Amino acid sequence: EIVLTQSPGTLSSSPGERATLSCRASQSVSRSYLAWYQQKPGQAPRLLIYGASSRATGIPDRFSGSGSGTDFTLTISRLEPEDFAVYYCQQYGSSSWTFGQGTKVEIK
Amino acid sequence: QVQLVESGGGVVQPGRSLRLSCAASGVTFSNYGMHWVRQAPGKGLEWVAIIWYDGSNKYYADSVKGRFIISRDNSNNTLFLQMTSLRVEDTGVYYCARAPFSYCSSITCRYNYGMDVWGQGTTVTVSS
Repeated sequence: EIVLTQSPGTLSSSPGERATLSCRASQSVSRSYLAWYQQKPGQAPRLLIYGASSRATGIPDRFSGSGSGTDFTLTISRLEPEDFAVYYCQQYGSSSWTFGQGTKVEIK
Repeated sequence: QVQLVESGGGVVQPGRSLRLSCAASGVTFSNYGMHWVRQAPGKGLEWVAIIWYDGSNKYYADSVKGRFIISRDNSNNTLFLQMTSLRVEDTGVYYCARAPFSYCSSITCRYNYGMDVWGQGTTVTVSS
């Protein structure tokens, strides 16, 4: 099973700042099968990025994804108040899906 | 508008069974794979199971293999999760999520669009 490790665990930032979230895999992951999700308290997760870098429908362009192999990044170019949430990366391989443990982006 | 609505959660004793449902609307249900994903209280997301668009293949997380069964009724646009031998650690919110794919054969599907639509979740509590 591929293990995804996200860092940092918590990111304290201010609105308007840039946020960079990391997702590292225990073995190589196909870019096609790497996704990012946002979850706010009491809500279901929402798909942000699929295929490592493609934004899902309706996702603002301040969200971008990059990376390959074992290292992937979610970047929020300028944090808006509604972006403070928990973010998860997720991969699919060998008929198994796994999520990272999450990064909480909190207001500084 | 695509909507997924889970139901069937509740409080159950360890060792007992429960069946969850996920009703889909606004979508051609039979065109998509479907996942169950769960979240223990205060914890992260854990993938549980997937079923192919036509029900031909099913895969499970090791933590539920042999105890949970995923199934679907495409004529009624409904996904199910039959949970048996429930444990305290199965407690959490259970979400169904849609799995679009670009290509499927009898052997493999390319689920390269993530989990793009989620239900609101149903809560399962396993406690004596």
